[in-house]
Amino acid sequence: QSALTQPASVSGSPGQSITISCTGTSSDVGDYNYVSWYQQHPGKAPTLIIYDVSNRPSGVSNRFSGSKSGNTASLTISGLQAEDEADYYCISYTSSSTLEVVFGGGTKLTVL
Amino acid sequence: EVQLVESGGGLVQPGRSLTLSCTASGFTFGDYALSWVRQAPGKGLEWVGFIRSKINGGTPENAASVKGRFIISRDDSNSIAYLHMNSLKTEDTAMYYCARYHFYSMDVWGKGTTVTVSS
Repeated sequence: QSALTQPASVSGSPGQSITISCTGTSSDVGDYNYVSWYQQHPGKAPTLIIYDVSNRPSGVSNRFSGSKSGNTASLTISGLQAEDEADYYCISYTSSSTLEVVFGGGTKLTVL
Repeated sequence: EVQLVESGGGLVQPGRSLTLSCTASGFTFGDYALSWVRQAPGKGLEWVGFIRSKINGGTPENAASVKGRFIISRDDSNSIAYLHMNSLKTEDTAMYYCARYHFYSMDVWGKGTTVTVSS
């Protein structure tokens, strides 16, 4: 069981917006702005798409955005495209462990 | 180009050892922490651990699932991080990724190397 809770799957049609949630506790998501999001296509390595809750690395589309409210962080993808179909993972800093971060279980995004 | 390349994976029998390497290029290796993340077939990402940069102590941290069996080390002079895996179990079968670990996120990932533990 993962420390951060994500929905197993979400879906949307091309052009729509979807949001993936990532729920933790006050020891991680709630008290620290160190939530990151990763995209993983089948057979490929993950890539960083959001860091520090809402910042995009250079080269990442502005269709990807991140936010946080309380103990829940969210990844929103606007203007869905077929290429967005992938698995998405959240990671957060945690004060509860010397391992420093905890992972979400991942969300499979299907573009209908 | 900033790059990480893993090597050393393969088929190994339960109880045996294997060492993975992560060779970095395109950045000052010694300035960064390096992490290992694994993914069992059909499963999600799992944090194996990381090793701090020398300026931050150079110490490793390992997940409970591998503590006492896996050791992370680094050779800054050659820009390589290692994952020494001992007493391997079938449940260690996974794709192993190294990733640059920077302020609690992994901003650069290698393509991964596959480890299969089977008799």
